[in-house]
Amino acid sequence: GNSVTQMEGPVTLSEEAFLTINCTYTATGYPSLFWYVQYPGEGLQLLLKATKADDKGSNKGFEATYRKETTSFHLEKGSVQVSDSAVYFCALSVETSGSRLTFGEGTQLTVNP
Amino acid sequence: EAQVTQNPRYLITVTGKKLTVTCSQNMNHEYMSWYRQDPGLGLRQIYYSMNVEVTDKGDVPEGYKVSRKEKRNFPLILESPSPNQTSLYFCASSYPGLAGRNEQFFGPGTRLTVL
Repeated sequence: GNSVTQMEGPVTLSEEAFLTINCTYTATGYPSLFWYVQYPGEGLQLLLKATKADDKGSNKGFEATYRKETTSFHLEKGSVQVSDSAVYFCALSVETSGSRLTFGEGTQLTVNP
Repeated sequence: EAQVTQNPRYLITVTGKKLTVTCSQNMNHEYMSWYRQDPGLGLRQIYYSMNVEVTDKGDVPEGYKVSRKEKRNFPLILESPSPNQTSLYFCASSYPGLAGRNEQFFGPGTRLTVL
């Protein structure tokens, strides 16, 4: 079956620190990969996505590269801000599942001033 | 404004009392879905619908029902709620796409407590 594994959290950083949240996946077929972000009290929003191997998704200073050889899609940001504090979810979708998303457990990020 | 709305946002109920959580989207999306979010488990899909009158089970459908009589609405029904259905519920919608490449738009969530 399909599955997504995220690094164990929570993660606490100081403002302007470098962020990495690890994500690895197992999938049958050729998945599309996503990072969704959930700010406190809100629903999930798409942060970035990549639909084929070696694609790099980017948005709001965040980046992630689709690595087929390591089945990974790690999220990075060079300098985090307090406003980046949220829960981050890695997710995948495969052709045979239509639009169904398989999510990781989520990683709580707290950025302190 | 393009959005997915859910009601109620918060609900406390008792075991066995039937309830419905409504979901509506104004983006003319064919695809709609319900997820539940539990600590340490991420989001898991309950049911989904590819279009009007077309619904199917997700990963955790037991204890839930859905219907899709109109394109914009996709209510989640708990006929006889139990405490293990205490959770945070999200509705989502999107255009169906090849390999599920399209962004899904999520509602704000419904926090349900079953006593």
